[in-house]
Amino acid sequence: ETGVTQSPTHLIKTRGQQVTLRCSSQSGHNTVSWYQQALGQGPQFIFQYYREEENGRGNFPPRFSGLQFPNYSSELNVNALELDDSALYLCASSSPPRTGELFFGEGSRLTVL
Amino acid sequence: QQQVKQSPQSLIVQKGGIPIINCAYENTAFDYFPWYQQFPGKGPALLIAIRPDVSEKKEGRFTISFNKSAKQFSLHIMDSQPGDSATYFCAAIGGGTSYGKLTFGQGTILTVHP
Repeated sequence: ETGVTQSPTHLIKTRGQQVTLRCSSQSGHNTVSWYQQALGQGPQFIFQYYREEENGRGNFPPRFSGLQFPNYSSELNVNALELDDSALYLCASSSPPRTGELFFGEGSRLTVL
Repeated sequence: QQQVKQSPQSLIVQKGGIPIINCAYENTAFDYFPWYQQFPGKGPALLIAIRPDVSEKKEGRFTISFNKSAKQFSLHIMDSQPGDSATYFCAAIGGGTSYGKLTFGQGTILTVHP
């Protein structure tokens, strides 16, 4: 167990709706990253938050947005859901200095109908 | 230039065999290369990692070989066990200030038969 918890574990939405996913980072970690993992694919970087500010963004449209709170927990918000947004959304926490050692949660499985 | 290409897509070995998974990258700014292991229904977990100033790193039954000039690296699993059956991802990071921005390969589904 990594200590990174995500909620909800599964959810179903319809096209055009909005969704909020939540993540609690591992104790002592002040950096949170979000990844999208489509079925049968590797995770794709969405964005990262460090000390409540976005610090790096992947190739995702602005309808993907996020927040990080003072306790380092984080939210991922997706507006105007599309069918292709169906995926496993992974949250990972880490601590500087820069490292690729990320601690992932078990993910939130989103299905868009 | 940000891609990491991984092969094979799937791999089946017998218990005790030595599966080898290969990855290649283009971006020479990458300077840290981790491997992650993912079981069904779980998030990826860090297995082993290497920096380009080292040609080989071994941790238990897992070994990374790194060829900087060819921009390739590989994972070897010695004495593989059925419990090693999982999806394995190579990844790379580097060049910039995005600490958590890993670029992942497409994954290899490993099956180890008893």
